[in-house]
Amino acid sequence: DVKVTQSSRYLVKRTGEKVFLECVQDMDHENMFWYRQDPGLGLRLIYFSYDVKMKEKGDIPEGYSVSREKKERFSLILESASTNQTSMYLCASSLLGRIYEGQYFGPGTRLTVT
Amino acid sequence: QKEVEQDPGPLSVPEGAIVSLNCTYSNSAFQYFMWYRQYSRKGPELLMYTYSSGNKEDGRFTAQVDKSSKYISLFIRDSQPSDSATYLCAMSRAGGTSYGKLTFGQGTILTVHP
Repeated sequence: DVKVTQSSRYLVKRTGEKVFLECVQDMDHENMFWYRQDPGLGLRLIYFSYDVKMKEKGDIPEGYSVSREKKERFSLILESASTNQTSMYLCASSLLGRIYEGQYFGPGTRLTVT
Repeated sequence: QKEVEQDPGPLSVPEGAIVSLNCTYSNSAFQYFMWYRQYSRKGPELLMYTYSSGNKEDGRFTAQVDKSSKYISLFIRDSQPSDSATYLCAMSRAGGTSYGKLTFGQGTILTVHP
């Protein structure tokens, strides 16, 4: 059973702080993704990675960076948190070449920036 | 214009009703069509996928894809209160550099009341 875990369920940070969101998957998936989910906007892709140390920008990368030093771990970094980054952040993983299996999601991190 | 548009709802139906959820899309390169279900305070989970055009049935759920109209649907028969969730459509191109990236609709909140 695929499991994707995220480091925190709820996080409150101050404007200007550096924020790290961690994601770990236990099924040896090559692909990993970071999304944010906002009411009325659905899931929007921030960054994804298809291999260790490889990363590609998604649709809304501004204000974010990522790190993938190990295959199972994908981190999202908010260099200087702002109030408009208050959102639900979802991590997902998938097997390369197995699109039909879809992506497996973690439970999400609700981030509030005050 | 968004690549994928989904009826925003919210949708409220009585138990036992037939539910119809729909999405339209503009990118003709999409080949994989998926429906995810997301319960409150959980990550999305894959409900059904369809490759190219056609119908697919799984129990009370039927997914339809009409590529000529760029329109996909999910039907839920004999809806149950446990079907209350947010339903997200998602689509992907096949192979190449897509790396299984998904483009999501905005999501429809469904409530089935007893």
